[in-house]
Amino acid sequence: QVHLVQSGPEVKKPGASVKVSCKASGYTFTNHGVSWVRQAPGQGLEWVGWINTYNGNTNYKPSLQGRVTMTTDASTSTAYMELRSLRSDDTAVYFCASFTQARGDAFDIWGQGTLITVSS
Amino acid sequence: SSELTQPPSVSVSPGQTAKITCSGDALPKQYAYWFQQKAGQAPVLLIYKDVERPSEIPERFSGSSSGTTVTLTITGVQAEDEADYYCQSTDSRFTYVAFGGGTKLTVL
Repeated sequence: QVHLVQSGPEVKKPGASVKVSCKASGYTFTNHGVSWVRQAPGQGLEWVGWINTYNGNTNYKPSLQGRVTMTTDASTSTAYMELRSLRSDDTAVYFCASFTQARGDAFDIWGQGTLITVSS
Repeated sequence: SSELTQPPSVSVSPGQTAKITCSGDALPKQYAYWFQQKAGQAPVLLIYKDVERPSEIPERFSGSSSGTTVTLTITGVQAEDEADYYCQSTDSRFTYVAFGGGTKLTVL
């Protein structure tokens, strides 16, 4: 069974960094890309970026470029998202989601979400 | 433009048909996707490539496309369908992903 399991909630101060992990199981990790999506409290879904797990290519939302870095460790089938210079409006649940060309790059499997709270 | 517009809310009685629309200038050229999100849960993929439904999704969920508008139709709405629904699309090179603002479906 395909699963994405994310790391636990974190509380950070403004200006700090956070790194969220997303461990995949049940499929060949490098056959599916990983996208990150966030959701601020009471708000809609916002795409953060994606990473090609085969070659490491990335694409980030322009407004987050320079503060976000996505990486993978194929040996542990884990994707990571690091967000730096955190601000209060980065407070959100961060989801990872896998995608594959077989389903037209649809985000078909989602992690459970990780709450990142930025507060002084 | 990558902007997608959805109605904030739709209400329907059990057993009736609910239609949720999503409008965007790029939709005639790019595929649309639909997600269901229940309170406190991760989104679930309902429809991909405008009209395709994953095998695990009930047949009462269907997607259609016409010009700059795509539509999610739920036939025979059930109480458990009460949730937020989001459409999503990308640019032509998959370098940018956009979500609609979401539609809250209320089952009366």
